[in-house]
Amino acid sequence: EAAVTQSPRNKVAVTGGKVTLSCNQTNNHNNMYWYRQDTGHGLRLIHYSYGAGSTEKGDIPDGYKASRPSQENFSLILELATPSQTSVYFCASGDARGRGNQAPLFGEGTRLSVL
Amino acid sequence: GQQVQQSPASLVLQEGENAELQCNFSSTATQLQWFYQSPGGSLVSLLSNPSGTKHTGRLTSTTVTKERRSSLHISSSQTTDSGTYLCAIDPYNQGKLIFGQGTKLSIKP
Repeated sequence: EAAVTQSPRNKVAVTGGKVTLSCNQTNNHNNMYWYRQDTGHGLRLIHYSYGAGSTEKGDIPDGYKASRPSQENFSLILELATPSQTSVYFCASGDARGRGNQAPLFGEGTRLSVL
Repeated sequence: GQQVQQSPASLVLQEGENAELQCNFSSTATQLQWFYQSPGGSLVSLLSNPSGTKHTGRLTSTTVTKERRSSLHISSSQTTDSGTYLCAIDPYNQGKLIFGQGTKLSIKP
């Protein structure tokens, strides 16, 4: 069954600390995405990837890095976490661009609190 | 930049009533998706409808591309329909979705 799995599901971090959010997909999708969801802003794209070894900046990349070591895994890294990065983070995977109207599949989300 | 506006922001209905949700977007959308998000949950795709009318179960989506608007009609609403409905477009068919802020739907028994 197609799946996108995020870990951890909940995380409390301290300001200035390093946080890594992990995402694994078993869908054999080329594309993977990281979004954050905040009240009043909907979901916003942070970073995305078109395949292993590639990462691209989304609409709000500042303060975040991404890593795509393999087809299945895509990580979001906060090197120096700040309270403004408190949010719910969603990972998604999808087909390569130009391939029809299939929606991406989303993970369950990671709730991050930076204190 | 690209924008997606959804209305109303929230909607409260009695079970059995019909719901009408609106989505307006500022550019041509090669792809338009409607998602459902349960309270505190993940997103689930409901319909992909970049143009025309599509039906699935009690859901009907109508997208008028040249007017840059889409609607989602839920007939005979049920309490389990409660949650947030999100509209998203992909202007360049690159798989990068731009989301609206959602409509929070509450169905009372």
